[in-house]
Amino acid sequence: AQSVTQPDIHITVSEGASLELRCNYSYGATPYLFWYVQSPGQGLQLLLKYFSGDTLVQGIKGFEAEFKRSQSSFNLRKPSVHWSDAAEYFCAVGAGTGRRALTFGSGTRLQVQP
Amino acid sequence: GAGVSQSPSNKVTEKGKDVELRCDPISGHTALYWYRQSLGQGLEFLIYFQGNSAPDKSGLPSDRFSAERTGGSVSTLTIQRTQQEDSAVYLCASSTDQRPGYTFGSGTRLTVV
Repeated sequence: AQSVTQPDIHITVSEGASLELRCNYSYGATPYLFWYVQSPGQGLQLLLKYFSGDTLVQGIKGFEAEFKRSQSSFNLRKPSVHWSDAAEYFCAVGAGTGRRALTFGSGTRLQVQP
Repeated sequence: GAGVSQSPSNKVTEKGKDVELRCDPISGHTALYWYRQSLGQGLEFLIYFQGNSAPDKSGLPSDRFSAERTGGSVSTLTIQRTQQEDSAVYLCASSTDQRPGYTFGSGTRLTVV
């Protein structure tokens, strides 16, 4: 069965600093990979997704993620964090066939210090 | 509509009562999902609808939970005889094709007292 691990429950960075959120997945084949962001009281917004092709994926709000098959990782990065990026971030893996449901990690809460 | 719409946004109910949560997906989206997000937890898959196929109910936690999707559009998640452990945010999502990558609604926060 597929699974996702986000090792960092909570991260605090200073505004303007770079950010990397870790995501490791377990899946038997090439997965579909996603990052979502959830602001307080809101639903989840898709930041970016990887299906195939270029392993460096660009998303909205200046985020990018890199798929590394050898490390089973799909880490999210941003070169300069803004205070508005404070939120919870979820990594997810999806199967290419079958029930097509995503498996989500437990999330990383990002706090941004001024 | 422009996005996935869920109603109500908040629901407080007494233990033992039945509740219905509604999801109106993006027009034309054939796939519809329900997830549950408990406090401080990740997302738990509940049920999946794809077109006219039989739904995948494998994530429903008990027989108190059921869902239907009428006319391939609006979906209703029903929880019978609610328990305190049912308190959570229930999220609905829809997608347009066979590959995952959903648009989520803002959710319904259910509180069972």
